[in-house]
Amino acid sequence: DARVTQTPRDKVTEMGQEVTMRCQPILGHNTVFWYRQTMMQGLELLAYFRNRAPLDDSGMPKDRFSAEMPDATLATLKIQPSEPRDSAVYFCASGDSQGHIQYFGAGTRLSVL
Amino acid sequence: ILNVEQSPQSLHVQEGDSTNFTCSFPSSNFYALHWYRWETAKSPEALFVMTLNGDEKKKGRISATLNTKEGYSYLYIKGSQPEDSATYLCAFSGSARQLTFGSGTQLTVLP
Repeated sequence: DARVTQTPRDKVTEMGQEVTMRCQPILGHNTVFWYRQTMMQGLELLAYFRNRAPLDDSGMPKDRFSAEMPDATLATLKIQPSEPRDSAVYFCASGDSQGHIQYFGAGTRLSVL
Repeated sequence: ILNVEQSPQSLHVQEGDSTNFTCSFPSSNFYALHWYRWETAKSPEALFVMTLNGDEKKKGRISATLNTKEGYSYLYIKGSQPEDSATYLCAFSGSARQLTFGSGTQLTVLP
């Protein structure tokens, strides 16, 4: 049963702390997307990788957010330092080379106090 | 900034009613139009991907149509059931292939 795995499922942290969210895409998928779900913005794209190379991270606040793919089985999204306004659910999705359907992970619910 | 708009924002229907929602999107640089179903506390799940003008897709009681020339897609649910209650998202994919999501239509089917 292939699925996108995200860890942790929930994270509560204090303002100023570093947060790292991890995503394991479906084996064989070469595109990975990071989204953030907020009440105001709905689902917004933060970053997008193809074959581990970042193609678009224009949706990501550059001063505190960073996204990487150290290898084909792991994508990370890091926030340093975290702020209360970063509180949201962060979703990772992966897709195949056709670039059609995206398969979403269960999300990481982040609360920054 | 790409504008993907969905209407209505929310909808309540009685069990057994048929319903439909609209997604409007840019008609230029079109690659694909996606529909996702998103249940509360779960992750979005793909329903359909359509790429050609005039495409029609069907899965059980749910179907979708696509008009790329005028930039809209309709999602239809026939004989709604309580388990159809969810947020239905459409997403536009242009030449860059990443998805721009609409804000969704929240459907509640009352028993």
